[in-house]
Amino acid sequence: DIQMTQSPASLSASLGETVTIECRASEDIYSNLAWYQQKPGNSPQLLIYDANSLADGVPSRFSGSGSGTQYSLKINSLQSEDVASYFCQQYNNYPPLTFGSGTKLEIK
Amino acid sequence: QVTLKESGPGILQPSQTLSLTCTFSGFSLSTYGMGVGWIRQPSGKGLEWLANIWWDDDKYYNPSLKNRLTISKDTSNNQAFLKITNVDTADTATYYCARKANYGSYFDYWGQGVMVTVSS
Repeated sequence: DIQMTQSPASLSASLGETVTIECRASEDIYSNLAWYQQKPGNSPQLLIYDANSLADGVPSRFSGSGSGTQYSLKINSLQSEDVASYFCQQYNNYPPLTFGSGTKLEIK
Repeated sequence: QVTLKESGPGILQPSQTLSLTCTFSGFSLSTYGMGVGWIRQPSGKGLEWLANIWWDDDKYYNPSLKNRLTISKDTSNNQAFLKITNVDTADTATYYCARKANYGSYFDYWGQGVMVTVSS
């Protein structure tokens, strides 16, 4: 199984700041990585696929990057509506599809 | 417009079989490349992928639960199903169905989720 190690587990930042969330895979996943946002009480929503492609309707302040085993999600100009948990997911080699453990983002 | 909605029993007892239904619209599971997956999330915890079914009836299961899972579909009625046998309290979670994207095994649309509690 491919293990996805996500960091940090929680993050507190001020409005307007830039934040970065990292995901490390246990082996090369060739950019087959997605990021999801889950707002409190809601289901996950796709943000990024193929490591750096923005899903439809997602604000351009979200961006993804990385290759090999190291990937990151960056949120520019943090807004109050960005309070959520964020999860990465690899789809290079499965079963099983595997998710990172999540990052809970709060506003300072 | 793509929508998915899960339904299930709400509460069941240990050792019973959990049956979940995903009713969707806006796409067809007979279309090349399409698929539906099931993912669960215990309260306050992370996401665990359970199973996928593809348009050609290919099925993929999480090996950690494979012997207990059965995924199926009814293409004509736009539904997908998941059965989990011999449930216990560790299966208490919110269960989501989601559409697998056409060109990758990520999930581009999710249902609202259905909460399932296993309790005696």
